Amino acid sequence: DIQMTQSPSALSASVGDRVTITCRASQSISSYLNWYQQKPGKAPKLLIYAASNLQSGVPSRFSGSGSGTDFTLTISSLQAEDFATYYCQQSYSIPRTFGQGTEVEIK
Amino acid sequence: EVQLVESGGGLVQPGGSLRLSCAASGITLSSFSMNWVRQAPGKGLEWVSYISSSSTIIYYAESVKGRFTISRDNARNSLFLQMNSLRDEDAAVYYCAREATENRIDYWGQGTLVTVSS
Repeated sequence: DIQMTQSPSALSASVGDRVTITCRASQSISSYLNWYQQKPGKAPKLLIYAASNLQSGVPSRFSGSGSGTDFTLTISSLQAEDFATYYCQQSYSIPRTFGQGTEVEIK
Repeated sequence: EVQLVESGGGLVQPGGSLRLSCAASGITLSSFSMNWVRQAPGKGLEWVSYISSSSTIIYYAESVKGRFTISRDNARNSLFLQMNSLRDEDAAVYYCAREATENRIDYWGQGTLVTVSS
């Protein structure tokens, strides 16, 4: 199975900050990497697919990059509604493993 | 409005069974692979099972293999998860999730809670 490791597990940031979350795969997954946002009590929401493609309707302050084993989700200017938990997921192979999540908290 | 609506969750004793359903409206499931993903209380997301559009390809997480069965009825635009021999560690919110092009999960249900307790 491909293991996905996110860092950090949690971070504190202020509105307007630039935030970067990293995700590392235990083996190459090409660009089969998705990012999801989840708020408490809600289902996850797709933000970025295939490493760098912005899902329709997602604000352009979200961006993704990387390929192979190392990936990054960047929020260019954090907004109040962005405080949530973020998960990466590899869709290169089955099982479709998720990272452990990164909780973005208000500083 | 696009909706995936899960049902069938509830309280069950260890060793018991439940059948989860996922009904879609506003979107067509028949051309897409589907997944079940679960989330234990306070924990992260865990992929459970996958079924291809024609049901010819099915996969399970090792943790549920032999106990859970995924199926679908494309005519009814629905997905199912039969869960047998339930264990404490199966307690979670279960989400049905549509897998679109480039293997992205673009639609998720609201989740149904499964509680396993005696």
